[in-house]
Amino acid sequence: DAGITQSPRHKVTETGTPVTLRCHQTENHRYMYWYRQDPGHGLRLIHYSYGVKDTDKGEVSDGYSVSRSKTEDFLLTLESATSSQTSVYFCAIKSLDRPGQGAIRMAFFGQGTRLTVV
Amino acid sequence: QQQVKQSPQSLIVQKGGIPIINCAYENTAFDYFPWYQQFPGKGPALLIAIRPDVSEKKEGRFTISFNKSAKQFSLHIMDSQPGDSATYFCAASPARQLTFGSGTQLTVLP
Repeated sequence: DAGITQSPRHKVTETGTPVTLRCHQTENHRYMYWYRQDPGHGLRLIHYSYGVKDTDKGEVSDGYSVSRSKTEDFLLTLESATSSQTSVYFCAIKSLDRPGQGAIRMAFFGQGTRLTVV
Repeated sequence: QQQVKQSPQSLIVQKGGIPIINCAYENTAFDYFPWYQQFPGKGPALLIAIRPDVSEKKEGRFTISFNKSAKQFSLHIMDSQPGDSATYFCAASPARQLTFGSGTQLTVLP
């Protein structure tokens, strides 16, 4: 939707291995986000980016790193996957209602990546 | 630390009923309150949103009621249909980020 592609869509990996998830957007949005979704917790922000090479931590950033070397790509890396990182990961982009007013309208989410760490 | 508290966790109504989902927040810096709808296997999709300078917003069968003094807001779905069965999330935003509630799984029985 809205030019957001997440890859892979499903992945099973072993504990201790590194994993990278990719989010690709085609509409040149400045802000991009990574969330994880777990039952009973809603969506929790992992990291976000407000421009190329500009990133910041969210509420559950431990064990995750991100990179954004191009506007269109935002990568999420699990340096050493653990079973607690089994989750569904969503990428999102921000579209402002009226640029300059600061209010956020996060209209678009990707389809999600289901990651299982065994 | 959950900044947005959502209830109930699950809700079952008959077709035509009016399910109501409630959210409460603490951070007075929040200035944008969207609701998202999510179907199984899909990403959340923006449903309707409100800013704190209004007390109510309607879009089709969906209405947000907002009580700034109580720091609460709610989603009402008029004439609910089985196709409305989904998980609904409230959210709140100060600026760059969006904080979500824990979600409500709505089932509308035919």
